[in-house]
Amino acid sequence: GENVEQHPSTLSVQEGDSAVIKCTYSDSASNYFPWYKQELGKRPQLIIDIRSNVGEKKDQRIAVTLNKTAKHFSLHITETQPEDSAVYFCAANPNAGGTSYGKLTFGQGTILTVHP
Amino acid sequence: DAGITQSPRHKVTETGTPVTLRCHQTENHRYMYWYRQDPGHGLRLIHYSYGVKDTDKGEVSDGYSVSRSKTEDFLLTLESATSSQTSVYFCAITQAQNTEAFFGQGTRLTVV
Repeated sequence: GENVEQHPSTLSVQEGDSAVIKCTYSDSASNYFPWYKQELGKRPQLIIDIRSNVGEKKDQRIAVTLNKTAKHFSLHITETQPEDSAVYFCAANPNAGGTSYGKLTFGQGTILTVHP
Repeated sequence: DAGITQSPRHKVTETGTPVTLRCHQTENHRYMYWYRQDPGHGLRLIHYSYGVKDTDKGEVSDGYSVSRSKTEDFLLTLESATSSQTSVYFCAITQAQNTEAFFGQGTRLTVV
């Protein structure tokens, strides 16, 4: 089955700095890679996703890159703000047999702390 | 927020007792999922459903069963609760494959 590894487990930056979180996946058939943000005590919420037919996607201060050959994808947050502090999860869809039913395999999570 | 609610929000139960968690959606989405969240493990899929009465196992399904008799409701049952099932449980829904998953508020379950 799919295995998703996420690094680092914790990340501390100063306000205004950039933050990068990296994930690797094992199933070469995976073709959908979302990122979720979870604030303390809240539910996970999608912040950006990328499909395998593109290498990069941006949404304001957030960008995701995908390298299918190396089977890794990364989240980039620029000009970080204290409200970016949260747990971030990457995920990939296990696509064995061609039908994933929307299932996701998540990474272990990264606790991002942005210091004012 | 998408129309998805979980009940109860918090529960403490004793080892060996059965427990049922409910997920209710008002979005008419086809796909529903139960995940558990534990420190250091992210979210792990327990069971999922791709239609009424159509369910299948996820990666951590042992000790859990599910039922979906209506589009809007997806029930998760712990047949005989164990301390290892102490966790936060999230229900999620998607309209189609490879689209945004909307999560419920979560249920914190403690098995003593």
